[in-house]
Amino acid sequence: EAGVAQSPRYKIIEKRQSVAFWCNPISGHATLYWYQQILGQGPKLLIQFQNNGVVDDSQLPKDRFSAERLKGVDSTLKIQPAKLEDSAVYLCASSSDGYNEQFFGPGTRLTVL
Amino acid sequence: DQQVKQNSPSLSVQEGRISILNCDYTNSMFDYFLWYKKYPAEGPTFLISISSIKDKNEDGRFTVFLNKSAKHLSLHIVPSQPGDSAVYFCAASDPYNTDKLIFGTGTRLQVFP
Repeated sequence: EAGVAQSPRYKIIEKRQSVAFWCNPISGHATLYWYQQILGQGPKLLIQFQNNGVVDDSQLPKDRFSAERLKGVDSTLKIQPAKLEDSAVYLCASSSDGYNEQFFGPGTRLTVL
Repeated sequence: DQQVKQNSPSLSVQEGRISILNCDYTNSMFDYFLWYKKYPAEGPTFLISISSIKDKNEDGRFTVFLNKSAKHLSLHIVPSQPGDSAVYFCAASDPYNTDKLIFGTGTRLQVFP
């Protein structure tokens, strides 16, 4: 079974630029999550999708972050414009209905200069 | 505010000995807890979980203990192996959205020969 795929693995941009991350969850997993992990902290949930609907986006900075999950499969997370404090690893995870276990992708390390 | 706390940022243990990683939480409504392990440049992977109806759950070398009155849980690894060297995250399931995980800041375990 293929795991959660993410791209790119690394990205370096300057502040005020835009960036997008892509995630392909495990086949058949209805729930998809985007987390932000700042150095020295644990992952923090940004947004949770159930199929293509948003379940929780309470911690997503909506003035600059957006996410979509077209057709209930792949998802993209966008930051526009980026700030220095957005430097972090962005993790995508997926899970099956009724199970707490989440499967994480390798993450995208974003550096904002 | 940090609802899940891992107060020890690092732990060093000799191979073959017991590793004990600790986690405290503040919300008495948390009723499901998980431990994740993370290697560098990889996403976290699920290790073991425990429901609040239990005070112990065991899986091979890994045992999680839950003390609800103290709002404390611990992960025991016996015997520790060099391959266990990683960052360990404690997480709690949000009682209002059980798919949402609230992570601690992690403990870096190093097992030396």
